[in-house]
Amino acid sequence: DQQVKQNSPSLSVQEGRISILNCDYTNSMFDYFLWYKKYPAEGPTFLISISSIKDKNEDGRFTVFLNKSAKHLSLHIVPSQPGDSAVYFCAASFNYGGSQGNLIFGKGTKLSVKP
Amino acid sequence: DAGVIQSPRHEVTEMGQEVTLRCKPISGHNSLFWYRQTMMRGLELLIYFNNNVPIDDSGMPEDRFSAKMPNASFSTLKIQPSEPRDSAVYFCASSQIGTGELFFGEGSRLTVL
Repeated sequence: DQQVKQNSPSLSVQEGRISILNCDYTNSMFDYFLWYKKYPAEGPTFLISISSIKDKNEDGRFTVFLNKSAKHLSLHIVPSQPGDSAVYFCAASFNYGGSQGNLIFGKGTKLSVKP
Repeated sequence: DAGVIQSPRHEVTEMGQEVTLRCKPISGHNSLFWYRQTMMRGLELLIYFNNNVPIDDSGMPEDRFSAKMPNASFSTLKIQPSEPRDSAVYFCASSQIGTGELFFGEGSRLTVL
């Protein structure tokens, strides 16, 4: 069973509008969540993260929201730009700041931002 | 600064052949991860090392897969014998223990005919 789920394989948004990518997780022991962005033929690159003690983290056009009771997080991109077109992976881990375990990834959501 | 370096970028081989993928982590990082990406399963962890010691290899599909990290600057993932279902993109990533963020290489695309 997948512990991290991204139920939308793709999302299409108009340039300038908001993109909202969603992610659900099943394990309440996860305490650190990350979003990675991946372009074709490249490795995933870190975008933004949030620890379980927060419910929001913002970095420029990117904001991640965490709802622990619903085991749900989302990534908002405002305003969306054509260069944001990529696959976005949600990831979760245990024991952030301690004995680090691995990141468990969702299957990704392909975002297309149309001019 | 050099990122995570993987080689080869592309490998095409025939079923039954041995495949060796290589990774050089970022200098100073003490955790190294091997992930495999497929359409069906997404990004799945195969194995990871802390301070060159394998910590969790539960993701390694079967005995045909093995990984080593002889020193802090080099790791290999070996598949012997390879099968068509091993075709995927294999990513190596590194980090510093406790920082939470992984840095990925560009991947090695493996095709087994």
